[in-house]
Amino acid sequence: QVQLVQSGAEVKKPGASVKVSCKASGSTFSSYDINWVRQATGQGLEWMGWMNPNSGNTGYAQKFQGRVTMTRDSSKSIAYMELSSLRSEDTAVYFCASIVPTYGTTTFGCWGQGTLVTVSS
Amino acid sequence: SYELTQPPSVSVSPGQTASITCSGDKLGDKYASWYQQRPGQSPLLVIYQDTKRPSGIPERFSGSNSGDTATLTITGTQAVDEAAYFCQAWDTNTAVFGGGTKLTVL
Repeated sequence: QVQLVQSGAEVKKPGASVKVSCKASGSTFSSYDINWVRQATGQGLEWMGWMNPNSGNTGYAQKFQGRVTMTRDSSKSIAYMELSSLRSEDTAVYFCASIVPTYGTTTFGCWGQGTLVTVSS
Repeated sequence: SYELTQPPSVSVSPGQTASITCSGDKLGDKYASWYQQRPGQSPLLVIYQDTKRPSGIPERFSGSNSGDTATLTITGTQAVDEAAYFCQAWDTNTAVFGGGTKLTVL
């Protein structure tokens, strides 16, 4: 079973970019689509998009089109999510979550621990 | 865009049955998943493909999905089940989450 470990908390100024990493271990990196989900304090879960680590193919939620980029370094089994043009409303905990084939292709079977991104001047 | 609607809160007494609903247009035609999230923790999958439990999830958790409503049922609710619960489905290559339901066990 895959385990996902994310990078540490970030503080950014409005207009800057942030790049969060998600390192997979315990199974073949390319086997699982990696998705990114964020959660503002006290709020619900918001899906941002997915990436296939094998092909590099991506799909982004319309809300984030043009501002988000999902990439990977397969040699290190790391997935990245970069969000640009940050604003205060982007302050949230960002999770990576994998599709685990055991549970089908519609479910996020494994989650990272989350990365707090704070956007403040 | 597709929306999933959950009640903001549900209360249940210990040992009783808690039911949390998730409503969306023709949700029964899609697979619903449910996640439990305790404060300060990552979400944890408790139900997938409408009715299935991942290994390690207690049998008291069950799910159903028909028509426009998916339901998460916790039979014999325990204090440890107090958490937020989120439903999730896919629509047109987009993952959608419900707004979440805070389950209080009192």
